[in-house]
Formats: sequence, C-alpha cells, structure tokens
Amino acid sequence: QVTLKESGTGILQPSQALSLTCSFSGFSLSTTGICVSWIRQPSGKGLEWLADICWDDGKGYNPSLKNRLSISKDTSNNQAFLKITSVDTADTATYYCARTYYYDGTYGPFAYWGQGTLVTVSS
Amino acid sequence: DIQMTQSPASLSASLGETVTIECLASEDIYSNLAWYQQKPGKSPQLLIYYANSLNDGVPSRFSGSGSGTQYSLKINSLQSEDVSIYFCQQNYDSPRTFGGGTKLELK
Repeated sequence: QVTLKESGTGILQPSQALSLTCSFSGFSLSTTGICVSWIRQPSGKGLEWLADICWDDGKGYNPSLKNRLSISKDTSNNQAFLKITSVDTADTATYYCARTYYYDGTYGPFAYWGQGTLVTVSS
Repeated sequence: DIQMTQSPASLSASLGETVTIECLASEDIYSNLAWYQQKPGKSPQLLIYYANSLNDGVPSRFSGSGSGTQYSLKINSLQSEDVSIYFCQQNYDSPRTFGGGTKLELK
C-alpha cells in the first residue's frame, strides 16, 4: 500500500525559508523510474507543480519559481524534501507530495498523493 | 509552458445525467493527459491517465477521450458522490501543468 504524508513549517514570516518533508511507504525512491513530486494549491485555487526528484537523483523544477526551490531525498529513510527560500504571502498554500514516474523521456501521472500540509506566510 | 484550458469552470447537473468536461492544450500533448477528482478538503485523486485509461478502482461511469490538443472527461449517470472539482493535467512536457478546474455541483 502506497502512502505519503507531508510535514513542515505551518506558519512563517515573509523572507523566511520553508522546509517540507514527504515521508512515504509502499515504494522506494531507489526503484528505477520512481519519482516524488511537490505540488501546491492556494485555498480555493488551482494546482501548481513545483518540483520532483527521481530514483537516479534527477531533479526538475518549475521555472516560475526561479532559483527559490531545492529538492532532495533520503532514500534509506523513505523521505523527500523541498525547501523554498524567501517566501512571501503568495506562497501560502496547501503543499502536497505525490508519487509519479519518469522513464525513457516519459512522465507519468501523479498516481498517489499525500493529504497535504497547509503553509501560511504572514507578517 | 503548455497552457491547459478547462471548460466549463462550473457545471450544475442532475442525478443520473451525463456530463462532459473539456480540456484544451496549447499544443499537441500526444495523449499525455490525466484527469483528477478533488473532493472538498481532500487531496486530488487520479481518475484517468494517458487520456483514456481508467485508474484502478475508478467507477466505469468515468471515461476519457481525445487526442492532439483536445480532451474530454465524461461522467455517465451522475451520482451524488461525484460532486467535486475536476482537473486535467498534461504530462507531455515540463513544467507539468494543470487546467484551472471544473466545479461540478448537483442541480
């Protein structure tokens, strides 16, 4: 059974750094093709893919967030991490991690999602 | 970036009715299209992948079709538990992008 669960800083102030952890079970990030993605959703709005990290340590980032994102993983402990620097109120959202795949030039859908963690940026 | 345009933004239908949601990509995405259902307060759940493949456990009243830049999600015999927001998403190119969503309500 595949499960994912997000955790991280709930409330932070503008200009601070946001650190998120995705703890998962039922799969390994060392398995060929497997990736973990981060996706966010402001309240009442749409979904935005942020980044993903794959079995081979390949990483992808959404250019819209420029150089503010950093993704990493701890394969032994079944965790993936996302850091967002210099947050502002526009980063207030529910942040999800999801399992997907990338192999031979093909991306897969986001087949499994965590429950999400709400992050609020406020002064 | 590939833009995904969903229509309608909201939809009201009666129980038992058939509804269709459309998704238009700004360029050919070669059927690399997924549909998700998001119930209030919950995370999105995958319904359809590769435009027309039903995910495990998804009722057969859901179906997807389309190719090139135009795709659709069809729900036959609408049930009360189908009240949700539906999103399309392209997996053809990075950054992966989502449609704006369609809010489905009961009439």
